[in-house]
Amino acid sequence: QSALTQPASVSGSPGQSITISCTGTNSDVGAYNYVSWCQQYPGKAPKLMIYDVSKRPSGVSTRFSGSKSGNTASLTISGLQAEDEANYYCSSYTSSSTWVFGGGTKLTVL
Amino acid sequence: EVQLVESGGGLVQPGGSLRLSCAASGFTFSSYWMHWVRQAPGKGLVWVSRINSDGTSTSYADSVKGRFTISRDNAKNTLYLQMSSLRAEDTAVYYCANNWAFEYWGQGTLVTVPS
Repeated sequence: QSALTQPASVSGSPGQSITISCTGTNSDVGAYNYVSWCQQYPGKAPKLMIYDVSKRPSGVSTRFSGSKSGNTASLTISGLQAEDEANYYCSSYTSSSTWVFGGGTKLTVL
Repeated sequence: EVQLVESGGGLVQPGGSLRLSCAASGFTFSSYWMHWVRQAPGKGLVWVSRINSDGTSTSYADSVKGRFTISRDNAKNTLYLQMSSLRAEDTAVYYCANNWAFEYWGQGTLVTVPS
């Protein structure tokens, strides 16, 4: 049950687009379309932003999108805004009938 | 409005036990899988356990298998996590979340096990 691999930090300027990667194996990310992304502000509960690789829950901005290629999933945020500065975590269902999270990525809006 | 409210956290000595609860409202609790996820201070999210909608199937992270037990009472709309043989490394905020995709999260309850 090794954690999925995410970059520790990414940054971008307002209006730009950024992409956060989430690399797993062919036993988790590569095997199932059950990848989710959540956003977490410091001291707050996480919030679901993307599920099933690319689906957006009701109320989540269309600036957030998800995709997957092989064992790597990606979260793209377009038109970056100051309020997007937060920690982002990916998660995936695994072949062991368990779930695994990524280590988290801190997004800084410059 | 969906609400998940965790309770039961606190300070417990190594080797001790604690039971966490997660009271659910605003959705049909008995229809949803539920998860427990934890976050050590300053660290990332770690999946702990899940239970299916009728409580007949469970799974656990290796780090808690044999020590933690997830259960639910659909009549009371409540999820539980019975934790035993607690260790310092179990210190974390424990969140409950609903649905297989972690759709909604509670605010968390802090469990502290001193070293």
